[in-house]
Amino acid sequence: DAGVTQSPTHLIKTRGQQVTLRCSPISGHKSVSWYQQVLGQGPQFIFQYYEKEERGRGNFPDRFSARQFPNYSSELNVNALLLGDSALYLCASSWDVGLAYEQYFGPGTRLTVT
Amino acid sequence: AQSVTQLGSHVSVSEGALVLLRCNYSSSVPPYLFWYVQYPNQGLQLLLKYTSAATLVKGINGFEAEFKKSETSFHLTKPSAHMSDAAEYFCAVSDSQTGNQFYFGTGTSLTVIP
Repeated sequence: DAGVTQSPTHLIKTRGQQVTLRCSPISGHKSVSWYQQVLGQGPQFIFQYYEKEERGRGNFPDRFSARQFPNYSSELNVNALLLGDSALYLCASSWDVGLAYEQYFGPGTRLTVT
Repeated sequence: AQSVTQLGSHVSVSEGALVLLRCNYSSSVPPYLFWYVQYPNQGLQLLLKYTSAATLVKGINGFEAEFKKSETSFHLTKPSAHMSDAAEYFCAVSDSQTGNQFYFGTGTSLTVIP
C-alpha cells in the first residue's frame, strides 16, 4: 500500500504570494494533520482534520487555512507569504484522531519564500 | 498544555558506543510519548511509543526508551551505535486532551564517529 503522499516536493514562492500544498492520506485513513518544520526545529502542529471537519488548530495566524475533501485528501493554503514561512511542511494521516491511533508522516513539501 | 524538552541539540558518539538521547515532557494528564527519527530530506519515521502499558518500550533498530513518571522523562537509548543511526531524533507528546495531535521537541542531531 502507498504511504502518505505530498505534492509538490519543492516549491519556491515570492513574499506576498499564496501557496497550496496537497496531501493524500494512506488508504482508509480519515484524519489528516499538518505540521510546519522550520530548519533546525521540531515540527509544529498547524491543523488536524477528521471526516472533513477541523478538529484542532495550532498557534498559527489566519493566513494559514486548510480543508479536507470527501476522499480524505487535504490541502493547506498559506496566503500573503512571509520569509518566515519557509519550512518543510509535513502531512500525517491516521485512521482516527484518538490517542491510540498512530500517525504516519509523508515526506513533506519544502517551501522556500524569497 | 503539553511540551517537550530535548536536552542536547547535538550528540556525538563513537561507533559501538552507547547512545543516550534525553527527553523531558510536561503534561497535565497522563501522556503518550513517541520517538521519531528523520533522515536528511525525508519525513518522520516512528521508532517507538509509550502508551501507558509497559514503562520500558522497545522499538525498531535496537532502540528502547523508559518512561519515568517521577522524572517526567522518556530518554532514548541504544546499547551500540551504528553508522546508520546518524540522523535527527525527535521526541513528541500527546495526551487525552489533544488526541493524536503531537507536540514535538526541538530535536537532537546524532553523529556517529567511525
